[in-house]
Amino acid sequence: AQSVTQLGSHVSVSEGALVLLRCNYSSSVPPYLFWYVQYPNQGLQLLLKYTSAATLVKGINGFEAEFKKSETSFHLTKPSAHMRDAAEYFCAVSDRAGGTSYGKLTFGQGTILTVHP
Amino acid sequence: DGGITQSPKYLFRKEGQNVTLSCEQNLNHDAMYWYRQDPGQGLRLIYYSQIVNDFQKGDIAEGYSVSREKKESFPLTVTSAQKNPTAFYLCASSMVAANEQFFGPGTRLTVL
Repeated sequence: AQSVTQLGSHVSVSEGALVLLRCNYSSSVPPYLFWYVQYPNQGLQLLLKYTSAATLVKGINGFEAEFKKSETSFHLTKPSAHMRDAAEYFCAVSDRAGGTSYGKLTFGQGTILTVHP
Repeated sequence: DGGITQSPKYLFRKEGQNVTLSCEQNLNHDAMYWYRQDPGQGLRLIYYSQIVNDFQKGDIAEGYSVSREKKESFPLTVTSAQKNPTAFYLCASSMVAANEQFFGPGTRLTVL
């Protein structure tokens, strides 16, 4: 069974400050890991994904995440927050799919990021 | 433009009624999914389908039904058996074995 824990349901930062959103996962097989962003009343948009290539993954909008197997973590960071980054962020884990098999996505509870001027 | 469309954006239902939420994709994806989102609970999988005319229950399938008659379409029916249907519903699709899922804009269902 796989699971995801996002530490902190709400994170508040000042504009220009470092953003750090924490995600720890549990998986019985080497996982695929994802970060999605959701703006109010919209669907989810993929920020970045880890699929066993480089452990430091760069995504859109200046975000990046580092896969640390020893810590079972996949924390999301951005060096300098912008007002437009205010949204809800979801970490997700998938067991690997190969060939025609299906990889189910399990989502964390979400972290709401607030950015203050 | 390729993408996923969901309709309607807002839906109101009286107790005891069945309602159907539409999901269409033109990404030529094989797999489609329905999720339910409630505040503070993340996304929970209702049903998924990997191929036409086949679908499987997710974690919270009770009170819901789906069909997959066409590759592009995966409608979700919320039946009167669903005791607490007020939620935000998201449809997604992916290539089988690719894992990355693409999401539609969602439908907000409210029971009056």
